[in-house]
Amino acid sequence: GAVVSQHPSRVICKSGTSVKIECRSLDFQATTMFWYRQFPKQSLMLMATSNEGSKATYEQGVEKDKFLINHASLTLSTLTVASAHPEDSSFYICSARDRRTPSDTQYFGPGTRLTVL
Amino acid sequence: TQLLEQSPQFLSIQEGENLTVYCNSSSVFSSLQWYRQEPGEGPVLLVTVVTGGEVKKLKRLTFQFGDARKDSSLHITAAQPGDTGLYLCAGDNQAGTALIFGKGTTLSVSS
Repeated sequence: GAVVSQHPSRVICKSGTSVKIECRSLDFQATTMFWYRQFPKQSLMLMATSNEGSKATYEQGVEKDKFLINHASLTLSTLTVASAHPEDSSFYICSARDRRTPSDTQYFGPGTRLTVL
Repeated sequence: TQLLEQSPQFLSIQEGENLTVYCNSSSVFSSLQWYRQEPGEGPVLLVTVVTGGEVKKLKRLTFQFGDARKDSSLHITAAQPGDTGLYLCAGDNQAGTALIFGKGTTLSVSS
């Protein structure tokens, strides 16, 4: 299957700093990528849809000024957690649709564990 | 709002037992995907079912898509400790939109 990578895999930062997470589709182009947040033993919660060349679409309750998304190319989307606080600590996962597949299969990155002290 | 109800939420069984996980919705999906996720990793796609009534097998795992494309099941035969993980079903409505996830089933298989 297609490959989606995320960087970094783990980050620990102090409260108030900003953290950037990268999501890349390695062997296909993705006009649309998705960002999810996941708490322990829970399902994925969609945060926003990242559209190449245009503004991201945020889900209700997700602060767009807090979670900044930039989809500057067909293979890269970034999520920046601005002025992170301990409550932002979570597992962040991105995904991308591979339009080469009949069902536009969605592949997920390995996730980024963010810990804010 | 489309919802996907997944059950059971938690399942703890002994090695060798069989189990079934269900995903149900009142909405029709164009396809449904099953993922398995281990702690600290991203979900890994197991299968995509597209046609109503479709049955797919992946070794000891059998996936079914309901005739009306509103529900799906995952059956594991003779579970092994290596099957332990979080199983997620996700419904796909149309191209370009995000998947709709069930709440997940945490499976624990002990030897």
